[in-house]
Parts: sequence; structure tokens; C-alpha cells
Amino acid sequence: EVQLVESGGGSVTPGGSLRLSCAASGFTFSDAWMTWVRQAPGKGLEWVGRIRSKVHGGTTDYGAPVKGRFTISRDDSENILYLQMNSLKTEDTAFYYCTTEDGAAKSWGQGTLVFVST
Amino acid sequence: DIVMTQSPASLTMSLGERATINCKSSQSVLYSSNNKDYLAWYQQKAGQPPKLIIHWASTRESGVPDRFSGSGSATDFTLTINNLQAEDVAVYYCQQYYTTPRTFGQGTKVEIK
Repeated sequence: EVQLVESGGGSVTPGGSLRLSCAASGFTFSDAWMTWVRQAPGKGLEWVGRIRSKVHGGTTDYGAPVKGRFTISRDDSENILYLQMNSLKTEDTAFYYCTTEDGAAKSWGQGTLVFVST
Repeated sequence: DIVMTQSPASLTMSLGERATINCKSSQSVLYSSNNKDYLAWYQQKAGQPPKLIIHWASTRESGVPDRFSGSGSATDFTLTINNLQAEDVAVYYCQQYYTTPRTFGQGTKVEIK
């Protein structure tokens, strides 16, 4: 069974940094393309970005609101996906979900809340 | 970016009725080389993460009841829920995965009268 468990969320002031982790199990992580999707409280879904598998170059793509501030990386030896978030803004407040990507976002974690406020 | 527009924003139906949710993309998400529409539907119940229910516009995920069906192609898509059940109360989102950035519709809230 696919399991994705996010961690690392919390409260941070504007301009600060946070690193989220997503521990994966139940599938061959190194073969998987992975994404981050976020959802501001009470709002809709927003795609943050994705990372391809190493065999497909391990390259990344990002949505415009986070490009240049957020970095997605992966540790295939530990089956962990990361989201490094720098220069955080109040509008980055959201639940952050990691997902597997096989075309559509197939499996989702439970999410971790990031709260950016003074 | 491809803009996904859902309608209506909310639906209140009686048990057993048919719910219809529309999704329109600002450009075609039909990939001509394989004739597949890169369109997914997700269901999000209160307090839970989204769940993929339909991909390739009309392919139900394993375990999804057959009262859920997806149709449409290119730029116009529909999610139909036949025989609406209490457990179908949720927000439904469409998403294109034809290109990056992936984009979602704004969601349609389905409630029971």
C-alpha cells in the first residue's frame, strides 16, 4: 500500500525558511515522479511543482508563485521527498501535500500545515 | 498557463439524484499522438486530502463506484454522479496534466438537501 507522510510544517515569520519532508513507502520511490500541491485553508488546490525520477533526469518544474523561492529534491536512498521553502510570504500559508505523479496525482499524503505570519 | 473553469461552484441535490459538474479548459488537453485527454477529477471530503477518482477524462480509479463517470474531450468535460449518496458530499476538482504548470479548477461543492 502506498503511504506518503509529510512532516516539517509549522509557524514561521515572513522571509523565513522551512523544509518539508515526505516519507514514502509501498512503492518503488526511485522510479516515481513526485509533486507538491498546496491548499490555503478553505481554498482550492494549487500545484507547487514536481520532480522527475533520476532515470528521467531528476529535473524539476515549479509554479510561478514559488519559482526561485522553493526547491524540490529527493533522496532515493531514504525514500524521502523534500520541499525547501525560502523567502516565505503570508500567501504561502497552506496545507502542503506530496503526491505521486503518474500523469494525474495518484496517491496523496495527509498534508502538513505551513503558517506564515508576523 | 491553461485555465480550468468549473461550474457550478456548488450543487445541492437530493439523495438518489444525478449531479453534473462541468469543467472547461482554456486550451485543448487532448494529446493527438495518443488520442488521450489529460484530464483528472478529484474528490475531497472535509478534513481529508484529495482523492483521484477519474483520469484520462473517463477512466475510473480502482475502487471508485461506477455511479461516478467522466466524459468529454479536448476542452469540455463533465463529471456525473448518478444516484447521489450521502458519502458523495465533497468538493470536486478537475485538473489538467497536459502541461506544466498543472492547473486545477476552482472546485465544485456537492451537498445533500
